[in-house]
Amino acid sequence: DTGVSQDPRHKITKRGQNVTFRCDPISEHNRLYWYRQTLGQGPEFLTYFQNEAQLEKSRLLSDRFSAERPKGSFSTLEIQRTEQGDSAMYLCASSELGRPSSSYNEQFFGPGTRLTVL
Amino acid sequence: AQTVTQSQPEMSVQEAETVTLSCTYDTSESDYYLFWYKQPPSRQMILVIRQEAYKQQNATENRFSVNFQKAAKSFSLKISDSQLGDAAMYFCAYRDHLTQGGSEKLVFGKGTKLTVNP
Repeated sequence: DTGVSQDPRHKITKRGQNVTFRCDPISEHNRLYWYRQTLGQGPEFLTYFQNEAQLEKSRLLSDRFSAERPKGSFSTLEIQRTEQGDSAMYLCASSELGRPSSSYNEQFFGPGTRLTVL
Repeated sequence: AQTVTQSQPEMSVQEAETVTLSCTYDTSESDYYLFWYKQPPSRQMILVIRQEAYKQQNATENRFSVNFQKAAKSFSLKISDSQLGDAAMYFCAYRDHLTQGGSEKLVFGKGTKLTVNP
């Protein structure tokens, strides 16, 4: 296993279209995170999963955004009715569950999916 | 809410010299983690160094070290013997310590672009 992978790496779409991104975490990592990074900014947290359960969602995750992790392995992030403001890099990260669960667990990042909405 | 501020949008350093990147943060928590992440151009983000707030000793990883001033809420990164491969965006990040509840999410600053001149 070489790390977190994301697909596609680049996506260009027209405003109003739906897009879906996929993230494959490192094997046996049961935590998976989504972040969004706009130009000139640091990543901003969107949501995270522990196994298949979505444990936290940011207010940035509007009704047009939905994330799933149906079998606790890969995750998808869907954006409906895309807007130009959705143009950004979407980053996925994964981590192990720390032992004990409250301890530090490094988040390993994928290469990101760059979305351009025309 | 926790915030992270990086006041230096860009920095440059001569190869083999030392450079310090600044970061301040705000939190009401007494225990937490602080990180420096490196994001090379068109490559994925990797962890450079982390500091646990309850540890007074500053973290060191080879040529990278931090100056953690808890009372001042300051967390700077020093890169010694700078190399061309150090050129990247550097992000300071904060995370709650989960023994106090809190969130798994990373809160990032806006980043500092480091240029290394040969």
